[in-house]
Amino acid sequence: QSVLTQPPSVSAAPGQKVTISCSGSSSSIGNNYVSWYQQLPGTAPKLLIYENNKRPSGIPDRFSGSKSGTSATLGITGLQTGDEADYYCGTWDSSLSAVVFGGGTKLTVV
Amino acid sequence: QVQLQESGPGLVKPSQTLSLTCTVSGGSISSGTYYWSWIRQHPGKGLEWIGYISYSGSTYYNPSLKSRLTISVDTSKNEFSLKLSSVTAADTAVYYCATTSSSPYVDYWGQGTLVTVSS
Repeated sequence: QSVLTQPPSVSAAPGQKVTISCSGSSSSIGNNYVSWYQQLPGTAPKLLIYENNKRPSGIPDRFSGSKSGTSATLGITGLQTGDEADYYCGTWDSSLSAVVFGGGTKLTVV
Repeated sequence: QVQLQESGPGLVKPSQTLSLTCTVSGGSISSGTYYWSWIRQHPGKGLEWIGYISYSGSTYYNPSLKSRLTISVDTSKNEFSLKLSSVTAADTAVYYCATTSSSPYVDYWGQGTLVTVSS
């Protein structure tokens, strides 16, 4: 069981918007930065969002991140079929002294 | 841009030691920019952080693996390594090496290597 809780799956139509939630605690999300990763089928994860809401170079602004209290949210607008992937949140947990990830959310664009 | 490549045996027998090496190109391990990380993913499952090491050798390990784990760095070869002892089938996974920045977040990932624990 993961320290961070994500919904197992979400789905939306092409062109629509979707949000993926990530719930933690005061020792994890509540007091640390959140990052988000996209894992396309058969590939390594890729950094999408770091420090709650910053995008690395090359990541389109269709991807956004936010944090409030002990939860974080990844937003994706203008959904494309190429966005179908697993999405993971991650942060530091100060109680565990460890990097922790959510269990992942599978995005289906239908 | 930093590139990472894992190497090592794809099959390890139970109770033996899993050993992997990550070769870094496009950047120097000694630069101090990153922590050098190992992350694994069990088949069909999510990501599990194993641990990371700084260029100077300071290590941070997942508490659940700490008793079996050694991560080391060889700055002369620009590579870092993972050793996980007393493996069982539960250690079968894709193992990724990666860079971790200080926030922390994982910015660059290797392609991953599947390690199967089986007799």
